[in-house]
Amino acid sequence: GAGVSQSPRYKVAKRGQDVALRCDPISGHVSLFWYQQALGQGPEFLTYFQNEAQLDKSGLPSDRFFAERPEGSVSTLKIQRTQQEDSAVYLCASSLRGGGYEQYFGPGTRLTVT
Amino acid sequence: GQQLNQSPQSMFIQEGEDVSMNCTSSSIFNTWLWYKQDPGEGPVLLIALYKAGELTSNGRLTAQFGTTRKDSFLNISASIPSDVGIYFCAGQDGQNFVFGPGTRLSVLP
Repeated sequence: GAGVSQSPRYKVAKRGQDVALRCDPISGHVSLFWYQQALGQGPEFLTYFQNEAQLDKSGLPSDRFFAERPEGSVSTLKIQRTQQEDSAVYLCASSLRGGGYEQYFGPGTRLTVT
Repeated sequence: GQQLNQSPQSMFIQEGEDVSMNCTSSSIFNTWLWYKQDPGEGPVLLIALYKAGELTSNGRLTAQFGTTRKDSFLNISASIPSDVGIYFCAGQDGQNFVFGPGTRLSVLP
C-alpha cells in the first residue's frame, strides 16, 4: 500500500517568504507527527495530531511555525517569514494508533532559506 | 528534555562482518524503535520493541530492549553493502519519540 508522502520534496525560499509543506499520511492512520531534522542529526519533534486535534505543539520553535490537519488526514506545516535557521529537512510520520506506537516516515521536504 | 546517546558515532566494517551498536538514556522508556535512513530519504522502521528484555529479529537484524529500560541494542549479522546508512534509535517520550544522533555505518567491499 501507499506510504506517507510529502510535497514538495525540495523547497527554496528567500528569507522572509512564507512556505507550506504538505503531508499525506498512510490511509487510516490516526496519529500524525512533524519532525525537523538538521544536517547530521536525528529528527526532532515539532508537533503531534490525533485525528484533527493538535495534542502537542511543544516542539514548534517559534510562533512563525503553524500546523493544521483540518479533516484528520492531510496535514500542512506552515512557516511564516522564513529565516535561515529554518533550513532543514521536515519529516512527517504517521501511526496507526496514538502515541508510543510504530511511526512510519515520509521522504521529507528539504527546505533551504537563502 | 530527554536525550539519547548512540554508540559508536560511526563505524567502518568489512562486508560479511557482524555489527553491534547501542543506544542509552538516563531516562526510562516504554518503547524503543530502530530506524535506518539513507541519504535524501526518510527513516525506515526496522524493529519495534515494547517490553523490557524483549529480543526481536527482522532478517539479519536483531534488537533488544534492555532490562533496565534505559538502553537498547541493534545487531546486524553478515553485513552487506546495502547496510550502509545511518541507524537511529528512538525512545518513547509521552505521545512522541525522542531520537538519538545516529550511528553512521560504512561497509568496505
